[in-house]
Amino acid sequence: AQSVAQPEDQVNVAEGNPLTVKCTYSVSGNPYLFWYVQYPNRGLQFLLKYITGDNLVKGSYGFEAEFNKSQTSFHLKKPSALVSDSALYFCAVRLNAGNNRKLIWGLGTSLAVNP
Amino acid sequence: GAGVSQSPSNKVTEKGKDVELRCDPISGHTALYWYRQSLGQGLEFLIYFQGNSAPDKSGLPSDRFSAERTGGSVSTLTIQRTQQEDSAVYLCASSTHYEQYFGPGTRLTVT
Repeated sequence: AQSVAQPEDQVNVAEGNPLTVKCTYSVSGNPYLFWYVQYPNRGLQFLLKYITGDNLVKGSYGFEAEFNKSQTSFHLKKPSALVSDSALYFCAVRLNAGNNRKLIWGLGTSLAVNP
Repeated sequence: GAGVSQSPSNKVTEKGKDVELRCDPISGHTALYWYRQSLGQGLEFLIYFQGNSAPDKSGLPSDRFSAERTGGSVSTLTIQRTQQEDSAVYLCASSTHYEQYFGPGTRLTVT
């Protein structure tokens, strides 16, 4: 079955330290990969995506993610965390086949950045 | 420009009543999605519209749930005979090619 895994329900990091939120996937072919963020009491926002090309993609708010095909991973990273980065982060995958644009979603990782 | 809008923002209804939730996607977006999110949880896919194609209804949890998209734009999600387990935030999103843009959601509470 095709799936997306975010192995950590919660990640805690001190402000100023680097952060990583993990995502692995199990889908056929060459998928499109996405990260979304949900701040408290706010809607979901698109953060970044990998479609093709350079494996390292940069997105909003200083976040970046690296596509690793051999490890089927797309981990989200930021060199220096801010308290304001505390939010719920979702990884999602879309199959690169046909015209179906439905996303397969991870269950989310709650990031807490401590001052 | 205008983003995805949803109405109402909050809806409290009695068990057994029908409710309609509305989504106005971003103009020109051909794809529209409905999701459900319980408090602090992940997204549960409900239904997906793509242009004039038949919708993907594979995520609808029961036949009490239905949705339509009129004129390729506005969509309405209808829940008949609401149950307490239907209480959640219902999210709508639209897209053109890749990323989805989400509305603020409708918080449904069934009492």
